[in-house]
Amino acid sequence: QLQLQESGPGLVKPSETLSLTCKVSGDSIISSLYYWGWIRQSPGKGLEWIGNIFYSGSTHHNPSLKSRATISVDTSKNQFSLNLSAVTAADTAVYYCARVYCGGDCYDYFYYYMDVWGKGTTVTVSS
Amino acid sequence: EIVMTQSPATLSVSPGERATLSCRASQSVNSDLAWYQHKPGQAPRLLIFGASIRATGVSARFSGSGSGTEFTLTITLLQSEDFAVYSCQQYYNWPLTFGGGTKVEIK
Repeated sequence: QLQLQESGPGLVKPSETLSLTCKVSGDSIISSLYYWGWIRQSPGKGLEWIGNIFYSGSTHHNPSLKSRATISVDTSKNQFSLNLSAVTAADTAVYYCARVYCGGDCYDYFYYYMDVWGKGTTVTVSS
Repeated sequence: EIVMTQSPATLSVSPGERATLSCRASQSVNSDLAWYQHKPGQAPRLLIFGASIRATGVSARFSGSGSGTEFTLTITLLQSEDFAVYSCQQYYNWPLTFGGGTKVEIK
């Protein structure tokens, strides 16, 4: 059974870089059917998509984060990571990782919805 | 960016009744819409994709409808485990966007 587990510091200081890792177990991250994504939910707000990464390293990002987000993948460890630079209090949120299904082979299909999620990890930005 | 608007923000329903949740897109997303259920401390769960296709293992009490800009998630015969927050997401265009969520609470 596929499981995703987020990990990282729960407290980050303003202006520093938030770093999270999503460990994938139960299946290989190397698949042509899926991207792997990060989503967050700030207090009192809806979900916000941060970005996706393919096992090859190809990425999609939300432009609202103004290039502060970097997503990387480590296929040898079956995990992917998020770095968010220059954080502020507005980046305080529950961060989720998820498997993103393309609807078929990602080279041919372009439907991106999250079919398996991690439980999320809470990150607070505060000095 | 396509803005997704969900209504109502909170829906109070008695167990055994029906809940009808709405999701509106600021422009057409065809049928490229998913619904998720999420509860505190748990992994969100995919319920519906393609606007009306139930994900594997999802009860037939959940049904999705709509296309273009107007979508509905209907939950019949509400059970205790159904009280949660429900979010819609469009995947028609970048960036992927979610609605603000509807909380279904016990009346």
